[in-house]
Amino acid sequence: DAGVIQSPRHEVTEMGQEVTLRCKPISGHDYLFWYRQTMMRGLELLIYFNNNVPIDDSGMPEDRFSAKMPNASFSTLKIQPSEPRDSAVYFCASRSFKYAGSNEQFFGPGTRLTVL
Amino acid sequence: GQQLNQSPQSMFIQEGEDVSMNCTSSSIFNTWLWYKQDPGEGPVLLIALYKAGELTSNGRLTAQFGITRKDSFLNISASIPSDVGIYFCAGQQPSSSRLTFGEGTQLTVNP
Repeated sequence: DAGVIQSPRHEVTEMGQEVTLRCKPISGHDYLFWYRQTMMRGLELLIYFNNNVPIDDSGMPEDRFSAKMPNASFSTLKIQPSEPRDSAVYFCASRSFKYAGSNEQFFGPGTRLTVL
Repeated sequence: GQQLNQSPQSMFIQEGEDVSMNCTSSSIFNTWLWYKQDPGEGPVLLIALYKAGELTSNGRLTAQFGITRKDSFLNISASIPSDVGIYFCAGQQPSSSRLTFGEGTQLTVNP
């Protein structure tokens, strides 16, 4: 079974441009999480969805960030306009709560974003 | 917000040595997870723990869920060069779907 798929793997853009990151969770998983990883702040949870509904977006830095999950197999994280301080690795993770006690999150390979 | 204190921050060991790292918190967790991250990749789940006192092994890796539910440790026995990477603990509190991550332990194994 395929794991979490993210695209693109690398993105280089200029300040002010719109950036869209994409994620396909593991089939059958009903939770999807977006994280950002930097040297200074480690792994930070940005937002998570349950059954395609955003549950907690308290980690989204500011209004420039938005996330959507139009269906169970696809989610996007958009930054508009992008700024150099947004440079980081962005991870998507998914989880299934169908099995009692299963809190294990499975991560994608990440998107390394560089904003010049 | 909730903090997980992970130690040590880094370790430099010789191949064949055993390694131990741990995470502590001031709050109770009902799940402890241990991940390994290789350069340029996402974290990969190594071990999941769900019960206080639980001791679980995965090959040369052994992890324990502390009896107080506020700590966990990971041991790696007979380390090999491919054990190099960053190891993260993560905890989930009761009634929460969020994971809190430790700062990571950077492991270097010298052949």
